[in-house]
Amino acid sequence: GESVGLHLPTLSVQEGDNSIINCAYSNSASDYFIWYKQESGKGPQFIIDIRSNMDKRQGQRVTVLLNKTVKHLSLQIAATQPGDSAVYFCAEIGNAGGTSYGKLTFGQGTILTVHP
Amino acid sequence: KAGVTQTPRYLIKTRGQQVTLSCSPISGHRSVSWYQQTPGQGLQFLFEYFSETQRNKGNFPGRFSGRQFSNSRSEMNVSTLELGDSALYLCASSLLNGADEQYFGPGTRLTVT
Repeated sequence: GESVGLHLPTLSVQEGDNSIINCAYSNSASDYFIWYKQESGKGPQFIIDIRSNMDKRQGQRVTVLLNKTVKHLSLQIAATQPGDSAVYFCAEIGNAGGTSYGKLTFGQGTILTVHP
Repeated sequence: KAGVTQTPRYLIKTRGQQVTLSCSPISGHRSVSWYQQTPGQGLQFLFEYFSETQRNKGNFPGRFSGRQFSNSRSEMNVSTLELGDSALYLCASSLLNGADEQYFGPGTRLTVT
């Protein structure tokens, strides 16, 4: 069935380091991927997205890489800061329409801890 | 522009009761999706509404239902509450069809005792 999973449940880095969070997905029909950040007591916050016709997209301090061949997604955070400490989720959605409407399938999440 | 709002933020109910949660999407957004978040199961899709129509539903029992109003505001209802329904209930809105950026509200923390 459809699933999105993360390889590493926890990641600890030093302030200023670059962080890489990985995600594997199994639905080859997925065509839209999003990374979310969730802080304690808050809802998931949109970070960056990428569509299946791209393999890389950059935002402010963040880069998402998509490898459709191996069905792998990664989030790179440059110069990680203590404020980046949170749980990070990858999510995917299939082709628009039908059973995919509005249905994000989430990974388990990775806890990122940034030490000052 | 105001974000997604959810009310109430916290709720304590007893087994067997029912509960209604409310979600107001970002102005102009027409698609609202609901999710349940628990430590054991993570984030799971409940259902999605667009223009007052439920277009998609996740694998939850019929005790979970929802609706959307003409102003795109949405409610979800859980009847005959069970202990396992304790969770953070999140709604997310998107501009068009739910296959674009989804923005989440802060959630409603439901505790069933």
